[in-house]
Amino acid sequence: DGGITQSPKYLFRKEGQNVTLSCEQNLNHDAMYWYRQDPGQGLRLIYYSQIVNDFQKGDIAEGYSVSREKKESFPLTVTSAQKNPTAFYLCASTPGGTSITYNEQFFGPGTRLTVL
Amino acid sequence: KNEVEQSPQNLTAQEGEFITINCSYSVGISALHWLQQHPGGGIVSLFMLSSGKKKHGRLIATINIQEKHSSLHITASHPRDSAVYICAVSGTYKYIFGTGTRLKVLA
Repeated sequence: DGGITQSPKYLFRKEGQNVTLSCEQNLNHDAMYWYRQDPGQGLRLIYYSQIVNDFQKGDIAEGYSVSREKKESFPLTVTSAQKNPTAFYLCASTPGGTSITYNEQFFGPGTRLTVL
Repeated sequence: KNEVEQSPQNLTAQEGEFITINCSYSVGISALHWLQQHPGGGIVSLFMLSSGKKKHGRLIATINIQEKHSSLHITASHPRDSAVYICAVSGTYKYIFGTGTRLKVLA
């Protein structure tokens, strides 16, 4: 079955540690996205990538980093510079990397990160 | 003011009731999306529309481009419809999301 996988579903880390969240898709989609979801707020865009080896900052990129070395993979690293990293993180993808306007987004199941 | 506003924020209904969730936006858009998020957190896309009306089973979505408003209707609601419903609009490269409407349908 085609889809997006994120692992792990729950992640606990100590304050000051970097942590990497995994996102893999086998939909052959060009564009991939990372969102953060906090209670009472809409999803906010962290980073997005429209094509391999290229990515752009979203609205809240500070304290995060990404890479896009393969079409199917878009890992997100939450660094110690992120002031409030505890949140629910969602990865998504769409076909048609350079023209996403009319494309439906497909979402992964999410990773809930708790920093202690 | 958020660029995408949803109402109501919370909604409780009895099984069988007709439900309407509203979405207003203040930016130019290419398409509007209705999404469903279940308690486990995963999100699925219900509708993508740029004009008119779409229907899928008991779900109906409408959009009025001139008024910058969309509605999601659920007919004959069922407890399994309990979820958070999210309105999002898409532009050139990104999506802007509303804060969601939490729906609970009681048996």
